[in-house]
Amino acid sequence: GNSVTQMEGPVTLSEEAFLTINCTYTATGYPSLFWYVQYPGEGLQLLLKATKADDKGSNKGFEATYRKETTSFHLEKGSVQVSDSAVYFCALRQLQGGSEKLVFGKGTKLTVNP
Amino acid sequence: KAGVTQTPRYLIKTRGQQVTLSCSPISGHRSVSWYQQTPGQGLQFLFEYFSETQRNKGNFPGRFSGRQFSNSRSEMNVSTLELGDSALYLCASRPGGQGVEAFFGQGTRLTVV
Repeated sequence: GNSVTQMEGPVTLSEEAFLTINCTYTATGYPSLFWYVQYPGEGLQLLLKATKADDKGSNKGFEATYRKETTSFHLEKGSVQVSDSAVYFCALRQLQGGSEKLVFGKGTKLTVNP
Repeated sequence: KAGVTQTPRYLIKTRGQQVTLSCSPISGHRSVSWYQQTPGQGLQFLFEYFSETQRNKGNFPGRFSGRQFSNSRSEMNVSTLELGDSALYLCASRPGGQGVEAFFGQGTRLTVV
């Protein structure tokens, strides 16, 4: 079945450091891919998405490129801030008939220190 | 526009009891999905409801059930609670068509003691 594998961390960085969180997937076809972020005590917020190969999703300084050759969707940010401290989830959308569901990675906890 | 509302936010129950969680989707959204989040298993899909019909179900025992009302509000029920049911339960709503992003609520934190 479809699955998502991401580096589990935790990841600790200093403010203004470069961030990479790796994500690879296994799926039939070319599913849409997502990064969600979860702040403490909150639900999930969509950070960015890509719907086809070579698409680049971007938001709030974060970027990820859909690479079908390597089945990857790595999250990057050039300069992290303390406010970026959160748990990040990579996910793919799986379609089943008229229904769809999200398949998530285990999540990566990011802590950014001032 | 109000977001997805889940009630209650926190809940403590005893083993063997049952519990009902509620989710009110964004106005106009007809699809509601439920996910369980635990430290060990991560985020797992429970089920999706659309226009009062369950149209997809994850790999969970029959103790987990749900329903959706004509106003699209959804409830999920867990009977005969086990310690392992302690989790954050997240609800997500979508308009209903495929290819549209899901919006998540803040979740209900269930603790079984």
